[in-house]
Amino acid sequence: RKEVEQDPGPFNVPEGATVAFNCTYSNSASQSFFWYRQDCRKEPKLLMSVYSSGNEDGRFTAQLNRASQYISLLIRDSKLSDSATYLCVVNEGYSSASKIIFGSGTRLSIRP
Amino acid sequence: EAGVTQFPSHSVIEKGQTVTLRCDPISGHDNLYWYRRVMGKEIKFLLHFVKESKQDESGMPNNRFLAERTGGTYSTLKVQPAELEDSGVYFCASSQEGRGPYGYTFGSGTRLTVV
Repeated sequence: RKEVEQDPGPFNVPEGATVAFNCTYSNSASQSFFWYRQDCRKEPKLLMSVYSSGNEDGRFTAQLNRASQYISLLIRDSKLSDSATYLCVVNEGYSSASKIIFGSGTRLSIRP
Repeated sequence: EAGVTQFPSHSVIEKGQTVTLRCDPISGHDNLYWYRRVMGKEIKFLLHFVKESKQDESGMPNNRFLAERTGGTYSTLKVQPAELEDSGVYFCASSQEGRGPYGYTFGSGTRLTVV
């Protein structure tokens, strides 16, 4: 079983739609959680951290359910520029000594 | 502020040859990480330096891979001899001491193709 599992997609949705991605992680000791975005042939870039209380950044909302070991990302009013691969990332600790584990990513394509 | 710089951006080598990838972290970042993504797979951790010391090299696939960070500045990752399965994108990331995953900045990667 993979340490971080994501639906690979692709998700193909019209501009303005709301889309949600899910991710599960296997290590219950994991401490910190993130969503990264990766554009084609580019490096991953941090989109947002994910907190137990849930957090929002503009059109993006992230949720964490520790009991179910489940992380979600909701994108509202999607834009063409949101087309990318979204990577669920888990860290087993808070410190820089712990490595981060990537999911394989979910591809999102927004159509006009 | 300059970002994380990786060189070369692309490399095509023959099986059995040697390749050296270089990463220049953001100035002042003590933490330097190497990751790679092989075709169709997720990005995987290779190793982590804190300054010039290897903090964690548990992700290094085998002894054909050698990473160094002399003087705690830039880092090199050498693959010798290269095999076909080493093809992929090698990413370097850096962060400040104490920031850990909250402060990762990735370089744009080196795309390695072994033929």
